[in-house]
Amino acid sequence: ELKVEQNPLFLSMQEGKNYTIYCNYSTTSDRLYWYRQDPGKSLESLFVLLSNGAVKQEGRLMASLDTKARLSTLHITAAVHDLSATYFCAVDMTYSGGGADGLTFGKGTHLIIQP
Amino acid sequence: EAGVAQSPRYKIIEKRQSVAFWCNPISGHATLYWYQQILGQGPKLLIQFQNNGVVDDSQLPKDRFSAERLKGVDSTLKIQPAKLEDSAVYLCASSWGLLNTEAFFGQGTRLTVV
Repeated sequence: ELKVEQNPLFLSMQEGKNYTIYCNYSTTSDRLYWYRQDPGKSLESLFVLLSNGAVKQEGRLMASLDTKARLSTLHITAAVHDLSATYFCAVDMTYSGGGADGLTFGKGTHLIIQP
Repeated sequence: EAGVAQSPRYKIIEKRQSVAFWCNPISGHATLYWYQQILGQGPKLLIQFQNNGVVDDSQLPKDRFSAERLKGVDSTLKIQPAKLEDSAVYLCASSWGLLNTEAFFGQGTRLTVV
């Protein structure tokens, strides 16, 4: 059974600081996704990481993937209040076979950035 | 491009009643997913359709949940009878259906079972 663990689950930080969210997963997969969710809203896709060593950046967020370590990181640089949200990593289940590629999500990291 | 449409947005029912949710995916998307998100947790896949066929329903509680995607476009998810623990947000997502493509999520239906 594929398991996805995120840490920390809760993070309160000040504006201007840097921090990293970690995502570990239990079985082989080359595809990892990061989503953002604002309270009461749906999921917004941030990054799709499709290969070992992939690195993607958008504004103050940068995501990377190490498939050998089964680890992805989401790094926040010089945080601003607008980045406050819950961030989820998710791994697809393609390796279960049969064309199934639904996602297994972590529990999410609830990020609060204080002015 | 219009996004994934879901209705209703909110639903409150009593336990043992039945309820149905509707999803219209992004035009042209062959793959459709239903996820259940319980408060404070990540979404959990319930069922995946490829066109009008079921690809994965291994996590769908089939004694009470059912889903269909007639004609390979819109989909409905039904719960009958509902239990208190079914209170959650039900998210529909769609993708082009090719491997390595991302899924786009709808706004969800928030179900409260009392």
